[in-house]
Amino acid sequence: DGGITQSPKYLFRKEGQNVTLSCEQNLNHDAMYWYRQDPGQGLRLIYYSQIVNDFQKGDIAEGYSVSREKKESFPLTVTSAQKNPTAFYLCASGGHLPQETQYFGPGTRLLVL
Amino acid sequence: EDQVTQSPEALRLQEGESSSLNCSYTVSGLRGLFWYRQDPGKGPEFLFTLYSAGEEKEKERLKATLTKKESFLHITAPKPEDSATYLCAVHRDGAQKLVFGQGTRLTINP
Repeated sequence: DGGITQSPKYLFRKEGQNVTLSCEQNLNHDAMYWYRQDPGQGLRLIYYSQIVNDFQKGDIAEGYSVSREKKESFPLTVTSAQKNPTAFYLCASGGHLPQETQYFGPGTRLLVL
Repeated sequence: EDQVTQSPEALRLQEGESSSLNCSYTVSGLRGLFWYRQDPGKGPEFLFTLYSAGEEKEKERLKATLTKKESFLHITAPKPEDSATYLCAVHRDGAQKLVFGQGTRLTINP
């Protein structure tokens, strides 16, 4: 089955800790994206990558980092510099062109202890 | 600045009661408008992509239409399983990202 997987489903972060969210796709998509969703707000773009070994900041990149070493994988690290990390994180993938449809994974909910 | 506004924020309907959700946008050079359905605690599920004014797409009880300023998601004879939040997003020429609206939370009562 082709699709996007995210793990874990729930993640708990202690103060001062870095945590990494996993995103894997087997749709052979060139582009991958990370979004943050907060209650009452639209999805906001954190980072995106259109090709392996290249990525760009989105609207709210501060406190986050990413890597794109393989076409299938785009992990997101939430660093201790992100002061308000509690949110629902969504990974998406799509074709090479920005106007192509993006498909989303099931999401990871990050909570702060 | 690109903006996407969805209305209403929330809508309650009785089963079988048809209605429409609105997505109005202010972008120059629209390259695509996307509709997604999102169930609580899950990722958005793709429904439709519309590329030009006048375009229409249908899937089961849903029909999406597009004008130069807005898109409508028409729901005909809805069922309780149609209850979800419906998200609209746009992509404009020259941009690298989608701009999302805040969504419409639809509840269908049996």
